[in-house]
Amino acid sequence: DAGVIQSPRHEVTEMGQEVTLRCKPISGHNSLFWYRQTMMRGLELLIYFNNNVPIDDSGMPEDRFSAKMPNASFSTLKIQPSEPRDSAVYFCASSLTAMGSSYNEQFFGPGTRLTVL
Amino acid sequence: KQEVTQIPAALSVPEGENLVLNCSFTDSAIYNLQWFRQDPGKGLTSLLLIQSSQREQTSGRLNASLDKSSGRSTLYIAASQPGDSATYLCALTGANNLFFGTGTRLTVIP
Repeated sequence: DAGVIQSPRHEVTEMGQEVTLRCKPISGHNSLFWYRQTMMRGLELLIYFNNNVPIDDSGMPEDRFSAKMPNASFSTLKIQPSEPRDSAVYFCASSLTAMGSSYNEQFFGPGTRLTVL
Repeated sequence: KQEVTQIPAALSVPEGENLVLNCSFTDSAIYNLQWFRQDPGKGLTSLLLIQSSQREQTSGRLNASLDKSSGRSTLYIAASQPGDSATYLCALTGANNLFFGTGTRLTVIP
């Protein structure tokens, strides 16, 4: 089992550029989550999908952020245009059951460290 | 809104010592509680998950307890080793969110 796969592992870009982060969940998992981690705010849930459908995107900070899950094995988080305050580590996680289930055990990817200059 | 607090923020212990990490939360309407460890520059590794109907879970040298009535969970680590050095986070699953504590940074001194 390869676990949750994220790419790229590191991304450095200039303010105003578009950034796309990618995630491949664990095969067979039906829920996928995007988180952001910063020193100031800790870990925050941005959005999660269940069966490829976005369920709750209330954590997405602004319209500059968007996420898609075109199929069960792939998701993207896009920031357009990027700003320096978006610098953080972005984690993707997956689970076999939906949020709200007592069996919802989440498995995290290694994260993408984003730096916006 | 659920608030999750972990105390202490940092802890140093000599190798071999038993230790307890604490996690407290304000809303007892949770579905489960999960303990993670995070190594510097790495992702989160799931250690234990306690369902809301359970009171504890054990895995090797780790034991986690859950007391919803008092809004507390503890992670007990027996016979600590230098390899246990990491940041430990607790996270509570609500209906539509996962609320993380700020973590306890553990250092086990050889």
